[in-house]
Amino acid sequence: AQSVTQLGSHVSVSEGALVLLRCNYSSSVPPYLFWYVQYPNQGLQLLLKYTTGATLVKGINGFEAEFKKSETSFHLTKPSAHMSDAAEYFCAVRGNAGNMLTFGGGTRLMVKP
Amino acid sequence: ETGVTQSPTHLIKTRGQQVTLRCSSQSGHNTVSWYQQALGQGPQFIFQYYREEENGRGNFPPRFSGLQFPNYSSELNVNALELDDSALYLCASSLKGQETQYFGPGTRLLVL
Repeated sequence: AQSVTQLGSHVSVSEGALVLLRCNYSSSVPPYLFWYVQYPNQGLQLLLKYTTGATLVKGINGFEAEFKKSETSFHLTKPSAHMSDAAEYFCAVRGNAGNMLTFGGGTRLMVKP
Repeated sequence: ETGVTQSPTHLIKTRGQQVTLRCSSQSGHNTVSWYQQALGQGPQFIFQYYREEENGRGNFPPRFSGLQFPNYSSELNVNALELDDSALYLCASSLKGQETQYFGPGTRLLVL
C-alpha cells in the first residue's frame, strides 16, 4: 500500500521568499513521485516527476524537488516565490508495478506582496 | 497536439439520479484513469481503463462504472447518486508503460 503525507495544509510566504512544500511518502516498491499544481477551478498540471536516476529533479516555473530515500521525502522548493505561484500543490506516488496515483491532501500556497 | 478534454464542465443532479461524464484522452494515449476530488481534499483513484477493459480499481462501490471506446475516449457513469458524490471528477490519460498521467480540467458535479 502507498500513502502520501503533505505537512501543512496552508503555507504562506512573501513574494521573493523561498518556497518549501513538504511531502513524505510510503511505498512498498521503489516509487515514482510527482508534484502537480492546481489553479482555482482547473485540473492538475504536472510540475515535475522522479522516476529513476538523478535525485534532484527540476520542473517548470523554477520549481525543483529532491528524492531522499532515507527520509522517504520528496520536498518541493523554489528559491523565489512569485505571486503567480499561489495555487494548490499535490504530491503523488505511484508504485512501478501499479497503475494508480495516490495523492496527498494538498498544500495551499499563498504569496503575500 | 490536443490535451485531455472533459464534458460537461459543471453538472447539477438530485439524489438518486444517474450521471454520465465524458473524457477525450490526449492524442496517442491509450489509457484513461478517473479520479474523484472532494472539496479540500486530494484526488482519489476510481478506476483505470486500457484497451476498453478495466485495468485497476480504487475503493469505490459498483455504482461507479466506466467505459472506454476504440478511440480511447472514456465515460464515467454513477448510478443512484448520493450527496457525498458531489466533487470534481478528473480524467487523466497516459500511454501504457509510461508513468506520467496528464489531467483534464475536470467536471464539477453537485448532487442536491
